[in-house]
Amino acid sequence: AQKVTQAQTEISVVEKEDVTLDCVYETRDTTYYLFWYKQPPSGELVFLIRRNSFDEQNEISGRYSWNFQKSTSSFNFTITASQVVDSAVYFCALSGLVDQGGSEKLVFGKGTKLTVNP
Amino acid sequence: DSGVTQTPKHLITATGQRVTLRCSPRSGDLSVYWYQQSLDQGLQFLIQYYNGEERAKGNILERFSAQQFPDLHSELNLSSLELGDSALYFCASSVFSAPGRNTGELFFGEGSRLTVL
Repeated sequence: AQKVTQAQTEISVVEKEDVTLDCVYETRDTTYYLFWYKQPPSGELVFLIRRNSFDEQNEISGRYSWNFQKSTSSFNFTITASQVVDSAVYFCALSGLVDQGGSEKLVFGKGTKLTVNP
Repeated sequence: DSGVTQTPKHLITATGQRVTLRCSPRSGDLSVYWYQQSLDQGLQFLIQYYNGEERAKGNILERFSAQQFPDLHSELNLSSLELGDSALYFCASSVFSAPGRNTGELFFGEGSRLTVL
């Protein structure tokens, strides 16, 4: 069965600090996809990134960067020079097979609540 | 704006009642997913429909049911409600890029917050 662990329940930083959100996953699939979603206080879930299991290149998008390491089953997310608007709950997710027919679902971690203080 | 519309945004009802949550997916998306978010369980997958047919089932209670209509909108029916059903219910849609393989990200609606008193 697939599992996603976000060990950090809550993180609090001061604006302009860098912060890394950890994500460790478990799966028996050889092909899988990893995702990060952001849930701001308004409640909606916003897609940030998708990465497939064959692509271990790190990715950078503005102040956001992601470090995918298959050897340690981790997909960590770093925010550089954090801002107050980054305050949200961040979810890591893994796509996994539901059944042999190929149906899939996203399995989410419990989320990490990030608070960026001015 | 993800393009996924959920109604109602908020709903307060009493135990034992029945409610229906509605979801309109993004234009062109054939798959609809329902998720439940509660404080203790986190985000739990309930059920998925693809082009009108049930595709995958997760941790959905027997008191809950869903369907997807020909116009692709979906409804989640929750009956015999209990206090523990209070949660945020999300609908998501995606492009099913290949039969049996969802390689696209899910686009989530803003959720329907259900409070059972």
